[in-house]
Amino acid sequence: DIQMTQSPSSLSASVGDTVAIACRASQDITEYLNWFQQKPGKAPKLLISVASSLQSGVPSRFSGSGSGTDYTLTIRSLQPEDFATYYCQQSYTTPYTFGQGTKVEIK
Amino acid sequence: QVQLVQSGTEVKKPGASMTVSCKVSGAIITDFSIHWVRQAPGKGPEWMGGIDPKDGETVYAQRFQDRFTMTADTSRNTVYMQLVSLRSEDTAVYFCTTNWNFDSWGQGSLVTVSS
Repeated sequence: DIQMTQSPSSLSASVGDTVAIACRASQDITEYLNWFQQKPGKAPKLLISVASSLQSGVPSRFSGSGSGTDYTLTIRSLQPEDFATYYCQQSYTTPYTFGQGTKVEIK
Repeated sequence: QVQLVQSGTEVKKPGASMTVSCKVSGAIITDFSIHWVRQAPGKGPEWMGGIDPKDGETVYAQRFQDRFTMTADTSRNTVYMQLVSLRSEDTAVYFCTTNWNFDSWGQGSLVTVSS
């Protein structure tokens, strides 16, 4: 199985900050990398697919980059509604696997 | 707009079976694949398997393969999952989601396994 490792596991930031979350796959996943946002009691929400493709309706302050085994989700100018847990997930091959999550908290 | 509506909360005893339904509106289920993802309390999501309702072809995560079944009823535009021989570790919220990039999600079905 492909292991997905996110860092950091949590971070504290202020409204208006820019934050970056890293995700490393245990093998090349050829940009089949998705990013999700999850708030308590809710289903995950797809933000970005194939590493950098922003989903319709997702604010442009979210961006994704990367290739091979290393990927990054960047959130520019954090807004109050962005405080949540973020997961990366590979859809290169089954079993599809998720990172352990990064909790973005208010400083 | 695709909407997925799942069946409700369940409480099960160890050894029992559970079935969760996922009814799709706004699209025909044969237009995409449906996957099941579960999330145990305080943990990250875990992919369990997926089904192509067009032909019923399924793919399962190996750890669930012997006790997990997915089916599709195209006449009801609904997909079902069944997990048997439940244990306490199966306590989780179970989600259905669409396509390989999980672009639409059901609201989740909480299943608690407890004696």
